[in-house]
Amino acid sequence: QPQLQESGPGLVKPSETLSLTCAVSGGSITSTSYFWGWFRQPPGKGLEWVGSLFYSATTFYNPSLKNRVTISVDASKKQLSMKLTSVTAADTAMYFCARGPRPIVMIRGASFDYWGQGTLAIVSS
Amino acid sequence: QMTQSPSTLSASVGDTVTITCRASHFISTSLNWYQQKPGKAPKLLIYAASSLQSGVASRFSGGGSGTDFTLTIDSLQPDDFATYYCQESYIDPPALAFGGGTTVEIK
Repeated sequence: QPQLQESGPGLVKPSETLSLTCAVSGGSITSTSYFWGWFRQPPGKGLEWVGSLFYSATTFYNPSLKNRVTISVDASKKQLSMKLTSVTAADTAMYFCARGPRPIVMIRGASFDYWGQGTLAIVSS
Repeated sequence: QMTQSPSTLSASVGDTVTITCRASHFISTSLNWYQQKPGKAPKLLIYAASSLQSGVASRFSGGGSGTDFTLTIDSLQPDDFATYYCQESYIDPPALAFGGGTTVEIK
C-alpha cells in the first residue's frame, strides 16, 4: 500500500511562492503505471484540481491557475513537488497529493485511489 | 463544469439516496465519485461511472453515461454521512473538474 505525505511551510506571505512536497513510500514513483495529482480545498469549500503529471514529466494544469503553478517529480527523493507563485488569500487551502492508475488516453478517465492526509497552507501577512 | 445536486441531502439510516451529476458536455463514462469526511482526504468509491473501487461496500453504486450520472447509496449506514463529490475528466483541453459536492446529513 503506497503512502503519501504532504509537507509545506504552513504560512506564506502574499505575493510569495508556495512550495509543497509529497513524499511517496511503499510504491514506485517512477512506474509508468501511475498518474499523480495535486488538489486543494479552501476551508469549508469543495475540491479543486491543481494539476497532474505522469512520471515522464508530461504535465497538465488547471487553466484557472494559468501560469502560476508548476508540478514536478524527483525520483531520487521519491517525492512530488508543487510550486504556486504570486499567492493571495484565495490560495489559502488544504493541499492534497494523490496517485491513481494511468489513464488509458492522456488524462481521460483519470481517478485517484491513494491520497495523502493533506497540508494546510495559509496565505497571510 | 459539473453540476451536482442536491447540495445537501437529509436522510435517515436505512434510506436509499441518490446524488446526481450533470456534465456540460459529453464525457462518455469518465466520471468518478468520492466520499470525504471532515478533516480527511477524499476516498474513491466509484470509477468509470459504474465500477466499484476495491474495498468499497456494495451498497454504493454508480450509473449513467454521456452527460448524466448518479451515485446511489442503498440502506444508508451511520458511516455514510459525509460529503460526496463527482469528478470528471476530459481531453480537449485536458483537465479534471469536481462537482460542488453533496453533504448527506442525518435527518
